[in-house]
Amino acid sequence: SQQGEEDPQALSIQEGENATMNCSYKTSINNLQWYRQNSGRGLVHLILIRSNEREKHSGRLRVTLDTSKKSSSLLITASRAADTASYFCAEESTGANNLFFGTGTRLTVIP
Amino acid sequence: KAGVTQTPRYLIKTRGQQVTLSCSPISGHRSVSWYQQTPGQGLQFLFEYFSETQRNKGNFPGRFSGRQFSNSRSEMNVSTLELGDSALYLCASRTDWGRIGELFFGEGSRLTVL
Repeated sequence: SQQGEEDPQALSIQEGENATMNCSYKTSINNLQWYRQNSGRGLVHLILIRSNEREKHSGRLRVTLDTSKKSSSLLITASRAADTASYFCAEESTGANNLFFGTGTRLTVIP
Repeated sequence: KAGVTQTPRYLIKTRGQQVTLSCSPISGHRSVSWYQQTPGQGLQFLFEYFSETQRNKGNFPGRFSGRQFSNSRSEMNVSTLELGDSALYLCASRTDWGRIGELFFGEGSRLTVL
């Protein structure tokens, strides 16, 4: 299976704290993307980091990429209750015109 | 600009029946991908269509099929339904062929097989 893995599977934090999710992938990539999914809904794109980038920011989101370790992390700073959702990483492999999604991290932010 | 629209949102079928799900991509998007999401297997890629041609296919049996029309709308069909086909089926569109970029997802069609 080409499916990557995310760690932790579930994370529960207090509002205002930071949340860090990690993603490991298996292939050589063009880019890695992060998506968010509210329960039972569609996925929403958050951020894309290219293989030649090491860090990217978007609002309260910070993504890092380490291609030597085939890993990425997503940091959400100053979390809010509305951040409660599942977060998925998705790898676009070199030569593949498709995205392979990780197993997801379920984040719960307690007000 | 309207988002990706999937119909129906919910449906219940019995084993052995068949089902057709529909996806209307964002206007101007020519690529449509389908994913199956289950609690046990996560998000699994089914297939992708671009300009009415299937470009990629995941590891699903032949009971799962799809097509794309000239207006980029896509349908997927599952025949001879099994209990394990119960899932959220997600459709996603993107602008054009080439480096993939961002996918825009619909809200999904939740299929329950009894």
